Amino acid sequence: QQKVQQSPESLIVPEGGMASLNCTFSDRNSQYFWWYRQHSGEGPKALMSIFSNGDKKEGRFTAHLNKASLHVSLHIKDSQPSDSALYFCAVRGGSNAKLTFGKGTKLSVKS
Amino acid sequence: GPKVLQIPSHQIIDMGQMVTLNCDPVSNHLYFYWYKQILGQQMEFLVNFYNGKVMEKSKLFKDQFSVERPDGSYFTLKIQPTALEDSAVYFCASSPQLNQDTQYFGPGTRLLVL
Repeated sequence: QQKVQQSPESLIVPEGGMASLNCTFSDRNSQYFWWYRQHSGEGPKALMSIFSNGDKKEGRFTAHLNKASLHVSLHIKDSQPSDSALYFCAVRGGSNAKLTFGKGTKLSVKS
Repeated sequence: GPKVLQIPSHQIIDMGQMVTLNCDPVSNHLYFYWYKQILGQQMEFLVNFYNGKVMEKSKLFKDQFSVERPDGSYFTLKIQPTALEDSAVYFCASSPQLNQDTQYFGPGTRLLVL
């Protein structure tokens, strides 16, 4: 059964700083990876997906995937107070549709 | 972006009663999902649904749970009878296809079973 673990549990960064979030997964057959962001009282919203090893950059957000080491990360450059939220890593295997989520990293950006 | 709607936003119900949670998925999406999130814990998959059928369900999808989408109306999750441990936030999601398609989530229904 897929296990997805995220670290750190919580993170405080200054406005304009870099936030780095980590995620490890257990199933080597995992193929598709997403980062979701959830603000309090709302549903999770997909930030970005990554399916191939390496980096993927979208604006201030960069995801990195290393399937061999079972690791995916998210880096947020120039962090803004509006980036304060709960960030989830979500992983899908190849043959089924369900997403397995990590427990999340609570990011606080302090101005 | 694409929006998934959920009705109601909150529901309080007595243990043993029936509850129906409603989801209005994105209009051209074909796959529908329910997830459960207990306060402070991770989101957990319950079930996915395609072409009128349950495709996959987890151990959390108890016999008291059922899903349907009659004639393109709401995608519903029914719990009958409810139990105290069913208290959680239930999120509906939809996606165009499987594989690489992003699942879009609704805002959730907060269910409290007393």
